[in-house]
Amino acid sequence: GAGVSQSPSNKVTEKGKDVELRCDPISGHTALYWYRQSLGQGLEFLIYFQGNSAPDKSGLPSDRFSAERTGGSVSTLTIQRTQQEDSAVYLCASSFRAEQFFGPGTRLTVL
Amino acid sequence: GDSVTQMEGPVTLSEEAFLTINCTYTATGYPSLFWYVQYPGEGLQLLLKATKADDKGSNKGFEATYRKETTSFHLEKGSVQVSDSAVYFCALSDQHGNNRLAFGKGNQVVVIP
Repeated sequence: GAGVSQSPSNKVTEKGKDVELRCDPISGHTALYWYRQSLGQGLEFLIYFQGNSAPDKSGLPSDRFSAERTGGSVSTLTIQRTQQEDSAVYLCASSFRAEQFFGPGTRLTVL
Repeated sequence: GDSVTQMEGPVTLSEEAFLTINCTYTATGYPSLFWYVQYPGEGLQLLLKATKADDKGSNKGFEATYRKETTSFHLEKGSVQVSDSAVYFCALSDQHGNNRLAFGKGNQVVVIP
């Protein structure tokens, strides 16, 4: 079956621009997570969605970062006024029970 | 908060050698423990897991045992292959409601023919 998909696979943007990253979870998975993988910080949790509950935003590094999940399925991570330190691979994962299945990631480069 | 520590630095070894990657954790509760693997150009994949003390996770010849007394979950494989070259991440699952993962820094493993 289809796994978690993310788009775009690569994104290059200029400092100060806004970007949107998309995640399509596995059908039927109620939980969705965003993580960030960077050289300096390793893999970090960003945000968690579970069904229709309010998201856990405790991992978002600043108020420039936001995410939404429409209809309990597709999720969009938005970074406003990008900075060079936002350059990283952004990973999405979905789960039904405990195991998380990861997408291939979006590599974001901020020039 | 909960955290995971992996041994520093890449690991280079010859084919058929024994592999050990150390992982220790700090957690306030009783987390589930995981090893994830990232092959070149691919996404993170779950390699194995253990959900309670003394459980042993195993897959593809890899094993790790959940040791509560030493707060460790070391990864081992008796005879590595070139195809095992990848980055390996130890992780624990937060038990405070959302099961979010806390990862170690990862270890690059290079297996030389």
